Amino acid sequence: AQKVTQAQTEISVVEKEDVTLDCVYETRDTTYYLFWYKQPPSGELVFLIRRNSFDEQNEISGRYSWNFQKSTSSFNFTITASQVVDSAVYFCALSGPGSARQLTFGSGTQLTVLP
Amino acid sequence: EPEVTQTPSHQVTQMGQEVILRCVPISNHLYFYWYRQILGQKVEFLVSFYNNEISEKSEIFDDQFSVERPDGSNFTLKIRSTKLEDSAMYFCASSEGLAGGYNEQFFGPGTRLTVL
Repeated sequence: AQKVTQAQTEISVVEKEDVTLDCVYETRDTTYYLFWYKQPPSGELVFLIRRNSFDEQNEISGRYSWNFQKSTSSFNFTITASQVVDSAVYFCALSGPGSARQLTFGSGTQLTVLP
Repeated sequence: EPEVTQTPSHQVTQMGQEVILRCVPISNHLYFYWYRQILGQKVEFLVSFYNNEISEKSEIFDDQFSVERPDGSNFTLKIRSTKLEDSAMYFCASSEGLAGGYNEQFFGPGTRLTVL
């Protein structure tokens, strides 16, 4: 069975602070995929990143960066110099191998960035 | 850019009524999915569909639910006799279904179902 844990239910920061959202996963698959999605107040799910289990390189995209560590089964997401527009619920998700497998989502972290 | 569309954006129904939620997946995609998100909770997988049949389904997807691809473009989720606890946001997603590697799931904007 697959499981994704996002222990931080809510985080509140002041604009321009850095913030890290934690994600810990469990799976028996040796090949798997990890994701982060953003859900703004409007409700849609916005894809941010996908990593596969063979690629542990950290990734940076603008103010966003991701740290994947298989040894601790973690896939953490950092926003540098946060902005009010970053306020949203962020979901970490996991999928097994195969070309069309279901996504297992974590419970989400509500990030509030205060001006 | 192609996108998944869903109608209606908000559906209000009485308990016990049947509802049909509609989705138009991206045109060259072969796999279709429904997920649900109860307000304030996580997104949960319901069902995946390929080649006109269900590929996988979760425990949530019981006999009151059914899916159908009635024509070449629509993908529907029917809830036969709605209950209060069916109130949720329902997301449709689709993916290309190419062999090898992972195929990105593209999500629609969701249908908010309210059961009174």
